[in-house]
Amino acid sequence: DAGVIQSPRHEVTEMGQEVTLRCKPISGHNSLFWYRQTMMRGLELLIYFNNNVPIDDSGMPEDRFSAKMPNASFSTLKIQPSEPRDSAVYFCASSGGSFGTGRSPLHFGNGTRLTVT
Amino acid sequence: DAKTTQPPSMDCAEGRAANLPCNHSTISGNEYVYWYRQIHSQGPQYIIHGLKNNETNEMASLIITEDRKSSTLILPHATLRDTAVYYCTRQRSYGQNFVFGPGTRLSVLP
Repeated sequence: DAGVIQSPRHEVTEMGQEVTLRCKPISGHNSLFWYRQTMMRGLELLIYFNNNVPIDDSGMPEDRFSAKMPNASFSTLKIQPSEPRDSAVYFCASSGGSFGTGRSPLHFGNGTRLTVT
Repeated sequence: DAKTTQPPSMDCAEGRAANLPCNHSTISGNEYVYWYRQIHSQGPQYIIHGLKNNETNEMASLIITEDRKSSTLILPHATLRDTAVYYCTRQRSYGQNFVFGPGTRLSVLP
């Protein structure tokens, strides 16, 4: 079990540039979550997918953020244009079993540390 | 709204049991209690979860009160490597996403 794989581990970019974060969930998991973590706000849920379909994106901060899951083994989180306040650690997590049974824990990747200058 | 309340920080002596409390007084009958921990800058790691009964695994024990309004995570013999932020969360049987509060920062002292 390779776990949830995120890339890149670190990203430094200038304000106004487009940033794409990538996530490969654990094989067989059917739910995928994107979180953002900052010192001020802690862990915030941005969006989650079930069977590749976005279920709730109410946590996405604004239109500059978008997320896709074109297939069961890949998801992206895109920020365009990026701003300094987007600097944070972005985590992807996946969950297996029947969605919403309550018996399926989240498995997190090691995150992408984004710095926007 | 994390819907759980935890103390912001706790200390524990190495080798002693660490008992981390969590209040979830508004929990509904079909919501599970989950515990995770986050060591430094890594992603949160699942520890244990339960619905009504007490649970134990190789990492920890989970004690849930009979009225389910609170729970305690027990690390029976804390080590320095258990120093982390511990999150108590809740998940409904269907459709509930995971919301994380600020958690408890546990420091295991030598």
